[in-house]
Amino acid sequence: KAGVTQTPRYLIKTRGQQVTLSCSPISGHRSVSWYQQTPGQGLQFLFEYFSETQRNKGNFPGRFSGRQFSNSRSEMNVSTLELGDSALYLCASSWGPRAGDQETQYFGPGTRLLVL
Amino acid sequence: QKEVEQNSGPLSVPEGAIASLNCTYSDRGSQSFFWYRQYSGKSPELIMFIYSNGDKEDGRFTAQLNKASQYVSLLIRDSQPSDSATYLCAVKKAAGNKLTFGGGTRVLVKP
Repeated sequence: KAGVTQTPRYLIKTRGQQVTLSCSPISGHRSVSWYQQTPGQGLQFLFEYFSETQRNKGNFPGRFSGRQFSNSRSEMNVSTLELGDSALYLCASSWGPRAGDQETQYFGPGTRLLVL
Repeated sequence: QKEVEQNSGPLSVPEGAIASLNCTYSDRGSQSFFWYRQYSGKSPELIMFIYSNGDKEDGRFTAQLNKASQYVSLLIRDSQPSDSATYLCAVKKAAGNKLTFGGGTRVLVKP
């Protein structure tokens, strides 16, 4: 079974631009979560999508948004990029329907974003 | 106080020894607990999860959970140089898929 895939793997943008990142979950998984990893703040939860609906949201500004398609693929968008948005953006997939104790999340390889 | 705390390390252990990693959490609503391993420049890889008090063993790894004391630990037996990585503790409440991570413990296994 193929794992979680993310595209692109690397991205360089300048301040003020916007960016869209894509994530394809493991086949059969319907929940996709997004995380940001930086050296200073560590791994932080951005949001989770299940059945095309946002189910959970972290404490990030409205510049960060996402969506999920009917085939469970997800995209996240960051508008008006700031230098501090430079990070590794990770997508994680899980089966999803119950989101209970035993739900485990599997991470993709990540997209490394550099904002200049 | 951070929700999930780990000693940043580095934790240096000789090859073949036991590495002991600790993690404490502040939210008593946390229900399940995960250990991920992350090699430099790579994404986190799930090692194991635990949600009941006590020990859970998987190969050379043992996770221990004590909800009353709000800590979870990971033991790595017969440590190998390939175990050198950052180990991330993550907790989740019963509802939703939000994982809250600790800062990670860097482990160095010396031959």
